[in-house]
Amino acid sequence: DGGITQSPKYLFRKEGQNVTLSCEQNLNHDAMYWYRQDPGQGLRLIYYSQIVNDFQKGDIAEGYSVSREKKESFPLTVTSAQKNPTAFYLCASSIARTGGNTGELFFGEGSRLTVL
Amino acid sequence: AQSVTQLDSQVPVFEEAPVELRCNYSSSVSVYLFWYVQYPNQGLQLLLKYLSGSTLVKGINGFEAEFNKSQTSFHLRKPSVHISDTAEYFCAVRPFEGNKLVFGAGTILRVKS
Repeated sequence: DGGITQSPKYLFRKEGQNVTLSCEQNLNHDAMYWYRQDPGQGLRLIYYSQIVNDFQKGDIAEGYSVSREKKESFPLTVTSAQKNPTAFYLCASSIARTGGNTGELFFGEGSRLTVL
Repeated sequence: AQSVTQLDSQVPVFEEAPVELRCNYSSSVSVYLFWYVQYPNQGLQLLLKYLSGSTLVKGINGFEAEFNKSQTSFHLRKPSVHISDTAEYFCAVRPFEGNKLVFGAGTILRVKS
């Protein structure tokens, strides 16, 4: 089945360690996104990419990094510079917005990161 | 820039009762509007979307929403809720020419028996 796969689902990290969250999609979508979810704050955009080898910062990019070397993959690294990394992270993808397409987002199941 | 306000953080309701989850947005440009649902520890699933045309939009699981341009609102309704509707619901907007989906803070719907 087509979809978005995020791994791991749960991850624990010690302070000062970098950690990488995986996101893979087989929907042949051009655009991919990373959101952070905290209780009562909705979803906030970290990074997004509309094409391979290109990405843009979202609203809360500090302390995070991404790469987009392949169309189907958009990993997110949470670095030690991120002051409060404990959160639920959601990856999404969409068709590139052409011809009036609304660019509806399709989401993965999420990865919960806890810093000990 | 766009912003989305979901007026209720939690809505408790008894099973088989009607429910309305409120959403207001602010934008200087035309937008598409969406409602997503999230079950515990899962990703988001699209309930419905408004693109253009009829202001009443029907979605999955018996939900519907009405777009009101003058009041910049997009409230979600269901005439009779089920226990299985217990979840968090997010309203979101996306400008016609933009790239980013902006979400509200979410409304937790708790259906009680």
